[in-house]
Amino acid sequence: QQQVKQSPQSLIVQKGGISIINCAYENTAFDYFPWYQQFPGKGPALLIAIRPDVSEKKEGRFTISFNKSAKQFSLHIMDSQPGDSATYFCAASKGGDSSYKLIFGSGTRLLVRP
Amino acid sequence: NAGVTQTPKFRVLKTGQSMTLLCAQDMNHEYMYWYRQDPGMGLRLIHYSVGEGTTAKGEVPDGYNVSRLKKQNFLLGLESAAPSQTSVYFCASRRTSGGTIPYEQYFGPGTRLTVT
Repeated sequence: QQQVKQSPQSLIVQKGGISIINCAYENTAFDYFPWYQQFPGKGPALLIAIRPDVSEKKEGRFTISFNKSAKQFSLHIMDSQPGDSATYFCAASKGGDSSYKLIFGSGTRLLVRP
Repeated sequence: NAGVTQTPKFRVLKTGQSMTLLCAQDMNHEYMYWYRQDPGMGLRLIHYSVGEGTTAKGEVPDGYNVSRLKKQNFLLGLESAAPSQTSVYFCASRRTSGGTIPYEQYFGPGTRLTVT
């Protein structure tokens, strides 16, 4: 049973467009929601993260929107660039778990066409 | 500062063979993790360690063993490899949280393992 569901599986966007990736979760004990970016042949790297006490967090062109009541969060990439072409993973971590294990979504492969 | 390194980068095993994957970090991190990445399944946690000499099972531990004899190293072992263990393996590390905010996990470049 997948605890964090991610969609879409793949996404093609034109340069300058907005990329939107969605994630949903069931466990209300989750209290930390990071997004990781992975380029081919590399390990994932933290892109941006949010806690459920805020509804939105923005860093440059990247924004996380968080809907606690719907148990959903999404990544928005504004003015998408070809260099943003990568695989994106959402994740979640349980509060009170001192090991802060991450549970990942299945990933979204983003292609930004020039 | 190399961050997180993994050895080897690629490996091909035959069914039943054994091998050890090495993860090393030079950031003095307490926490280390081993994940496997399969198409359409994201990253799944195999085992993790919250400090030197400690290990714990993750989501998919069967068929794997780990050891953390030194703080900077985390070893993942496959005693009898199976085709189902064909995957890309990632190691990650994280420093001890200074409060209620968890810190990011730093990932290595991965090991691509094929079991025939």
